[in-house]
Amino acid sequence: AQSVSQHNHHVILSEAASLELGCNYSYGGTVNLFWYVQYPGQHLQLLLKYFSGDPLVKGIKGFEAEFIKSKFSFNLRKPSVQWSDTAEYFCAVKGDYKLSFGAGTTVTVRA
Amino acid sequence: DADVTQTPRNRITKTGKRIMLECSQTKGHDRMYWYRQDPGLGLRLIYYSFDVKDINKGEISDGYSVSRQAQAKFSLSLESAIPNQTALYFCATSDGDRGGEQYFGPGTRLTVT
Repeated sequence: AQSVSQHNHHVILSEAASLELGCNYSYGGTVNLFWYVQYPGQHLQLLLKYFSGDPLVKGIKGFEAEFIKSKFSFNLRKPSVQWSDTAEYFCAVKGDYKLSFGAGTTVTVRA
Repeated sequence: DADVTQTPRNRITKTGKRIMLECSQTKGHDRMYWYRQDPGLGLRLIYYSFDVKDINKGEISDGYSVSRQAQAKFSLSLESAIPNQTALYFCATSDGDRGGEQYFGPGTRLTVT
């Protein structure tokens, strides 16, 4: 079985601060990895994904994530956040037939 | 127009009532999914369907049933709603097995009193 663990439940930071959200997964085989974002009152949208190749992937809105296979990790980063990045962020992994989500991290950016 | 739509968007119902949530998609995808979202628990898979004749239980299917009426439509039913089914419900679609990327609908907020 596959599972996903997100390290932080709630992160609060100021505009222009750097953001890093941790994500670890457990699965013994090849995985596809995703970060989704849910802005207040909206549905989930894909931020970025990793299937294969370069382990550093770039997504929309200045986000990037690095896949470290040896650590079973896929951490999300943004060098300088904006107020509009306030949202809930979900890491997800597809190992077998389905997508498994982490519990989510709420990010609050203060102006 | 949205690619994945859900109706209703909000619903309040009483314990014991039957309720159906509907999902339609115009993406032409063969795979459809129903999730529920609860604070602190992320999204959990209720049911999924890889095509019209292939329906499978997810992690938390007890108390729910589904119907795949057509490739584009996938309905979720609560036969006898109970308060702990109060949650945000999302429908999603994906295109075959192309990496697993899923596209989500806007969600249905269901409250069972």
